[in-house]
Amino acid sequence: AQRVTQPEKLLSVFKGAPVELKCNYSYSGSPELFWYVQYSRQRLQLLLRHISRESIKGFTADLNKGETSFHLKKPFAQEEDSAMYYCALSDHSGAGSYQLTFGKGTKLSVIP
Amino acid sequence: GAGVSQSPSNKVTEKGKDVELRCDPISGHTALYWYRQSLGQGLEFLIYFQGNSAPDKSGLPSDRFSAERTGGSVSTLTIQRTQQEDSAVYLCASSLRGTGGYEQYFGPGTRLTVT
Repeated sequence: AQRVTQPEKLLSVFKGAPVELKCNYSYSGSPELFWYVQYSRQRLQLLLRHISRESIKGFTADLNKGETSFHLKKPFAQEEDSAMYYCALSDHSGAGSYQLTFGKGTKLSVIP
Repeated sequence: GAGVSQSPSNKVTEKGKDVELRCDPISGHTALYWYRQSLGQGLEFLIYFQGNSAPDKSGLPSDRFSAERTGGSVSTLTIQRTQQEDSAVYLCASSLRGTGGYEQYFGPGTRLTVT
């Protein structure tokens, strides 16, 4: 069965410091990985996906199949980055539903 | 345009009562998902609808949970004989299609509290 692990429940960094939110996964097929973000009092929204290979709001994430990781990185944290971040894996091994399997999330707090 | 909407935003019910949660997906989106977000369990998949195909119910935790989608649009998640462990935020998401990895757009959720 697929599983997504985010080892840190809470991560605090100072403004301007680098950020790395860790995500590891287990999946028997060819995974599709995502990062979702939930800002305070807002709905869950897609931040980025590994197949697009783009940088969103300064964040990047590289899929490392050897280490089964998809860590989220940003070189210089901003206060507006404070939010809950979820790593997710798209499962299309069943009925083709592409349901998302989420990690338990990491709360990022950027200290001014 | 309008995003995914859910109602009610909050629901408090007594143990043993039935509840219905509603989801209005984005117009034109054929795929609809229900997830549950609870303390300690994170976000869990419940059920998936794609067009007129039979739903994928593999995530429903018990037979007290059911869902339907009428006319390929609005969906209702029903929980019968609610239990305290059903307390959670229920999220609905829709995507253009359920295949090909289209982005899922989430609603604001319904917070269910079972007393």
